[in-house]
Amino acid sequence: SSELTQDPAVSVALGQTVRITCQGDSLRNYYAGWYQQKPGQAPVVVIYGKNNRPSGIPDRFSGSTSGNTASLTITGAQAEDEADYYCNSRDSNGYHHYFFGSGTKVTVL
Amino acid sequence: EVQLVQSGAEVKKPGESLKISCKGSGYSFTSYWIGWVRQMPGKGLEWMGIIYPGDSDTTYSPSFQGQITISADKSISTAYLQWSSLKASDTAMYFCARPTTYSSSSFALDYWGQGTQVTVSS
Repeated sequence: SSELTQDPAVSVALGQTVRITCQGDSLRNYYAGWYQQKPGQAPVVVIYGKNNRPSGIPDRFSGSTSGNTASLTITGAQAEDEADYYCNSRDSNGYHHYFFGSGTKVTVL
Repeated sequence: EVQLVQSGAEVKKPGESLKISCKGSGYSFTSYWIGWVRQMPGKGLEWMGIIYPGDSDTTYSPSFQGQITISADKSISTAYLQWSSLKASDTAMYFCARPTTYSSSSFALDYWGQGTQVTVSS
């Protein structure tokens, strides 16, 4: 299946922890990638694989997977973390067919 | 430094054709797939399709099959996304992105172009 389900929006108080989830059958075969997108900018990968952060991504971002659900956790959310977050996976039949979740808007209060 | 640099914004009329580009540099262009992503105004990211410049193997998302053409010219390290007859509903930001496969179960779209805004209006 090529569907990834995300909650539309979540809010978090400054300095608190927020978890965003992404559900889909493909996540049983591929780890989700997580992308942060701020208004007017291209997306940026923040987590990929089991729990890998690219260089420059703060360690308050972490990822995990259980069954068909991937999670992105921001521990100690900062004002600059306010953005849209998308999960991404690929078709488990081996084709180079990718897809995104519908996105979660994170508001830092 | 790996870079994907896209062509500039376009304003077109319905029915016109268009080809936008994504030039890769700082890596072996023929060794990595390049994909295209649509983002309509105020909406989420949609995967359109992908090409392997090394042999031009191309896969389209079912939602975009027959609506677009993805191609590449490896001699100038450039991938393209084209339309033969634009519609107003093609108005969107278009990104190119390069996936890197880290293992059999892990990948990332770790490099993105800056985006090309396409506006289709009569």
